[in-house]
Amino acid sequence: DAKTTQPTSMDCAEGRAANLPCNHSTISGNEYVYWYRQIHSQGPQYIIHGLKNNETNEMASLIITEDRKSSTLILPHATLRDTAVYYCIASYHGSGNTGKLIFGQGTTLQVKP
Amino acid sequence: ETGVTQTPRHLVMGMTNKKSLKCEQHLGHNAMYWYKQSAKKPLELMFVYNFKEQTENNSVPSRFSPECPNSSHLFLHLHTLQPEDSALYLCASSQVSRLAGELFFGEGSRLTVL
Repeated sequence: DAKTTQPTSMDCAEGRAANLPCNHSTISGNEYVYWYRQIHSQGPQYIIHGLKNNETNEMASLIITEDRKSSTLILPHATLRDTAVYYCIASYHGSGNTGKLIFGQGTTLQVKP
Repeated sequence: ETGVTQTPRHLVMGMTNKKSLKCEQHLGHNAMYWYKQSAKKPLELMFVYNFKEQTENNSVPSRFSPECPNSSHLFLHLHTLQPEDSALYLCASSQVSRLAGELFFGEGSRLTVL
């Protein structure tokens, strides 16, 4: 699996968009980009994933650069409940594979009033 | 509520005790995982099961013994642990035939070894 690099911590004002960057310069063509978050003392929660195209769901948007070497997770209107550690993971998971995800240190996002 | 239930939520044990952690998933998934999260460290993958068969053992010491009797249940048997084994143990499940990287995690079992 490709290594990812994320900032250690970020702050965001409540109600504003939170943009969390991730570098994955060694990602291979068949590796997906996954984002998870972990709120204090809870299990990680899946947010979104993408391969090449930008993706959006009810939680967030994922912007992947054309060369796929970096991506940005966007929380459009951050709330205090979005305060968590956010993990960016690059991993291959074709049909029939198990989700052997390797988590890094992630980005601690602090949403402030 | 993620559909993955772990018990107990908290466990304190001595180094000579034998205890077990239990995980149950109600999602119809066929892959299950154990992760360990020590204080201020990233999650570490321990074991992976695919249709009850162990497919990954990430060099975990033998004092941790997993058991997967069926696709819905996963156990982690603990014996003669060390204080450095104190951590949050997380269970997860996924559906191999769909997006395997979408893992559903339980709330975790916080283990303290005295």
